[in-house]
Amino acid sequence: SQQGEEDPQALSIQEGENATMNCSYKTSINNLQWYRQNSGRGLVHLILIRSNEREKHSGRLRVTLDTSKKSSSLLITASRAADTASYFCATATQGGSEKLVFGKGTKLTVNP
Amino acid sequence: DAGVIQSPRHEVTEMGQEVTLRCKPISGHNSLFWYRQTMMRGLELLIYFNNNVPIDDSGMPEDRFSAKMPNASFSTLKIQPSEPRDSAVYFCASSLLASGRETQYFGPGTRLLVL
Repeated sequence: SQQGEEDPQALSIQEGENATMNCSYKTSINNLQWYRQNSGRGLVHLILIRSNEREKHSGRLRVTLDTSKKSSSLLITASRAADTASYFCATATQGGSEKLVFGKGTKLTVNP
Repeated sequence: DAGVIQSPRHEVTEMGQEVTLRCKPISGHNSLFWYRQTMMRGLELLIYFNNNVPIDDSGMPEDRFSAKMPNASFSTLKIQPSEPRDSAVYFCASSLLASGRETQYFGPGTRLLVL
């Protein structure tokens, strides 16, 4: 069953602009993670935010988590052509089976 | 660090044939995951192991699929007999902790085409 859903499904911006992707989920979570997948490659972990955290930074990445709205956002600042990829959120639900459930991703294109 | 290693990278086979996918997790990692990715269904967890023991195989599509982890450094996913609808990219991932909830490190995937 799908837990996280990313929005938008696709996003096209110019180099230097900021990119914002959103993830909504349905049930209480232990943590939420963002991954990147370049075309034809495996997923790469970007950042993990726990349910008791509200914001996290890693380089040009900023992730926020609003557990009251059951949503998260990933902001990439000053985008580069190399940021072109699909971005997935994955949720680890509280209780129940210990596994990550991935959304279907946002396809980001950064035009040079 | 070599990362998660998968073989083969590409596999083309005919319907009815047996397919075996292989995975070597990152040394010292205690969890291993098998995923399948298709355009229609996205990324689906098939099965995962903690300390070489299968914990959750609820995502395994049917009896044609089986997975083993005979030791901490090797796992296989077998499809017998294969069908065209099994065509997908299969990923193996590993995680340091014996938990399915923490950071996962993915291999490059095996692209399977069943004719």
